[in-house]
Amino acid sequence: SQTIHQWPATLVQPVGSPLSLECTVEGTSNPNLYWYRQAAGRGLQLLFYSVGIGQISSEVPQNLSASRPQDRQFILSSKKLLLSDSGFYLCAWKGLGYEQYFGPGTRLTVT
Amino acid sequence: GENVEQHPSTLSVQEGDSAVIKCTYSDSASNYFPWYKQELGKRPQLIIDIRSNVGEKKDQRIAVTLNKTAKHFSLHITETQPEDSAVYFCAASIWSNYQLIWGAGTKLIIKP
Repeated sequence: SQTIHQWPATLVQPVGSPLSLECTVEGTSNPNLYWYRQAAGRGLQLLFYSVGIGQISSEVPQNLSASRPQDRQFILSSKKLLLSDSGFYLCAWKGLGYEQYFGPGTRLTVT
Repeated sequence: GENVEQHPSTLSVQEGDSAVIKCTYSDSASNYFPWYKQELGKRPQLIIDIRSNVGEKKDQRIAVTLNKTAKHFSLHITETQPEDSAVYFCAASIWSNYQLIWGAGTKLIIKP
């Protein structure tokens, strides 16, 4: 069966510091991968999605970037965090079917 | 592009009563409509979905209905229980696209 992992689970970072969040999927090949952000009490904002290694589509222009160095690995990065980057970051995957499944998330607080 | 509107933003029902959440979509080409439940501090979880070739789907106390002509779909929860309290999100997509277009969410409160 498929499993999706995210780390770290929680993170507290100062403004201006870099960021690296990692997502890996097990039990499937060539999944579509997604990064979402959810501000406190708000909905799901799609940040990036990838349909294959090295293929990244950005939905929201901002100080974040994403990379997919391996088939089942998706990384979200920032060179300098802003206060507004605080939120719940969710990675998701989609296989050959319609369904999209979420990882456990990383709760980021920028101080 | 596709747009999904979800109503109400908050719904409070008495335990044991039914709850209905409604979503409308704009793109008639959309053919997949999932519903996710997100408990406080947790990830969204897929609870039920429907494809455009079906008008209704049921799974125990949860059902989803789709009206393609009116371009709206609804989540029905019967005999609500305290564990149904959560935020519910609807979404829509076209199979050939890679993205889900999300509603803004409904906070469901079950009153004891």
